[in-house]
Amino acid sequence: QKEVEQDPGPLSVPEGAIVSLNCTYSNSAFQYFMWYRQYSRKGPELLMYTYSSGNKEDGRFTAQVDKSSKYISLFIRDSQPSDSATYLCALNQGAQKLVFGQGTRLTINP
Amino acid sequence: GAVVSQHPSWVICKSGTSVKIECRSLDFQATTMFWYRQFPKQSLMLMATSNEGSKATYEQGVEKDKFLINHASLTLSTLTVTSAHPEDSSFYICSARVLASGRASYEQYFGPGTRLTVT
Repeated sequence: QKEVEQDPGPLSVPEGAIVSLNCTYSNSAFQYFMWYRQYSRKGPELLMYTYSSGNKEDGRFTAQVDKSSKYISLFIRDSQPSDSATYLCALNQGAQKLVFGQGTRLTINP
Repeated sequence: GAVVSQHPSWVICKSGTSVKIECRSLDFQATTMFWYRQFPKQSLMLMATSNEGSKATYEQGVEKDKFLINHASLTLSTLTVTSAHPEDSSFYICSARVLASGRASYEQYFGPGTRLTVT
């Protein structure tokens, strides 16, 4: 069993839709949770960083962490074609290295 | 957000030559820098972790004599691919972890990547 599971998709939704991206993890020692967006041939861009259960909002993006269920989510509201990218969840135990999900390829159709 | 730069963004070299890639944190100091490799449509593979002034820690299966890492300061790390071969052709991405005074911070920012092609 992988430490972090993420549905690789691909996921295709119409413009304006709410997108839900999810990861589950098995190691309860993970304390820090990140979501990255990666465009083709570019480095990952940090979208959200959180370290507690609950919700964190930044513009159209909301990160949700449920430590009891070992489940994290990223919601994108009013999705735009420019949101089309691969989204990676990443977790760590602090000073340890990041553990990535497989990445979900998302396409927003105009 | 914090900015990490990489240079060059792409490089083509002949088999047997060495290539150096620079990674800089532009507006923050980094406790730790990381080097990743990524093949098309695959996730990132960590190659090594380096702390300023210390030897890098390499992941299992990564040849430390082939991939030389130098972390000269809190804002600069370099990766040198020695005696490059076509199978070393890949997308190399560095990452830097923010040094935050007074609190633990594990935010990690990535550079734009360097595409290496070995002919």
